[in-house]
Amino acid sequence: SQQGEEDPQALSIQEGENATMNCSYKTSINNLQWYRQNSGRGLVHLILIRSNEREKHSGRLRVTLDTSKKSSSLLITASRAADTASYFCATDAGAGSYQLTFGKGTKLSVIP
Amino acid sequence: DTEVTQTPKHLVMGMTNKKSLKCEQHMGHRAMYWYKQKAKKPPELMFVYSYEKLSINESVPSRFSPECPNSSLLNLHLHALQPEDSALYLCASSQVYSGYTEAFFGQGTRLTVV
Repeated sequence: SQQGEEDPQALSIQEGENATMNCSYKTSINNLQWYRQNSGRGLVHLILIRSNEREKHSGRLRVTLDTSKKSSSLLITASRAADTASYFCATDAGAGSYQLTFGKGTKLSVIP
Repeated sequence: DTEVTQTPKHLVMGMTNKKSLKCEQHMGHRAMYWYKQKAKKPPELMFVYSYEKLSINESVPSRFSPECPNSSLLNLHLHALQPEDSALYLCASSQVYSGYTEAFFGQGTRLTVV
């Protein structure tokens, strides 16, 4: 079953703008991760935030986690055409688990 | 080496064929996974191997048969598939460590069943 639900499903922005994607999940987690997938290719891990963290940065990426609302957001600042991809949040199944369940994803298009 | 290598990249097979997908990693990861991804959908977990033993089978039909010959290799044997099994099959690996499950994915095998 799918744990995470991203919104929006699709997002189109101009190069240089910021892109924000949201993810909601249903059960308790150890951590939440974000992955990027270029068209028809494998997924690339972007960032992991643990359940006891509220915010994390990596380069142009900023992730927040609100465990009380069971939600997370991914912000990409100063977007580039190369950021065009699908973005998925992924959650584990709680304590003792190491398998990931992916959300439906957000398809981001960055227009040059 | 932080790569997960999948072969072949593309596969077309008939419904009566038997074929195998292969996956290899040399990162010392002891958890390996098969995911299936249909177009415009998220990856769906099929199987998880932990320390070369099958630990999770997400009710996958028996026409898909996984095998983990050693800690670096993962195979998916295919037999009598249906056209609806056409999809991108992704292999991934990670450490077996609760709480930190960053997964490394291969580029996938694009399977078409005719």
